Amino acid sequence: DAEITQSPRHKITETGRQVTLACHQTWNHNNMFWYRQDLGHGLRLIHYSYGVQDTNKGEVSDGYSVSRSNTEDLPLTLESAASSQTSVYFCASSRDSNTGELFFGEGSRLTVL
Amino acid sequence: GIQVEQSPPDLILQEGANSTLRCNFSDSVNNLQWFHQNPWGQLINLFYIPSGTKQNGRLSATTVATERYSLLYISSSQTTDSGVYFCAADNTGTASKLTFGTGTRLQVML
Repeated sequence: DAEITQSPRHKITETGRQVTLACHQTWNHNNMFWYRQDLGHGLRLIHYSYGVQDTNKGEVSDGYSVSRSNTEDLPLTLESAASSQTSVYFCASSRDSNTGELFFGEGSRLTVL
Repeated sequence: GIQVEQSPPDLILQEGANSTLRCNFSDSVNNLQWFHQNPWGQLINLFYIPSGTKQNGRLSATTVATERYSLLYISSSQTTDSGVYFCAADNTGTASKLTFGTGTRLQVML
């Protein structure tokens, strides 16, 4: 079955370290997204991509970057992790940029000490 | 941007009861989706419903776009329905602009 997978599922890191969260989907969806979920803030969009070599900033993009070298993968990089980036991160994908249903990965819980 | 409000924030039901969750949005929408986040944190897409009515088993959803609200109905609730229900809306025509509500936390008791 086609799916969207994230790794690692849990990670603990130290302030200042670079961290990369992987996202891989096998639906051949053009659109991929990264969200973070925090108590009191719900789900907020970090970065998104509409296709290979396309990346865009979302609502809370500071301190994060993404790259899209193929259709299947959208890794999220925290250049220098901060305690404020402790959160649960969700990757998602959709087929259609305008009206497509959004499908989420299992989430990655990141703790920055 | 569009504002999305959900009610009630919390709901406790006995197994077998029915419930209605509401999602109000501040502007016309061309994308409205309902999600269920189970107690293990997994987010599942329930409905894509910018207008009209859809049903999937014990769940159904109705969006009245002209009055800017959507309803999620859960009939004969089961303990596996527990979790948080989110609606998300967009009026820009791009999936990236989905704005999520803060959710309704549902607990179904035996």
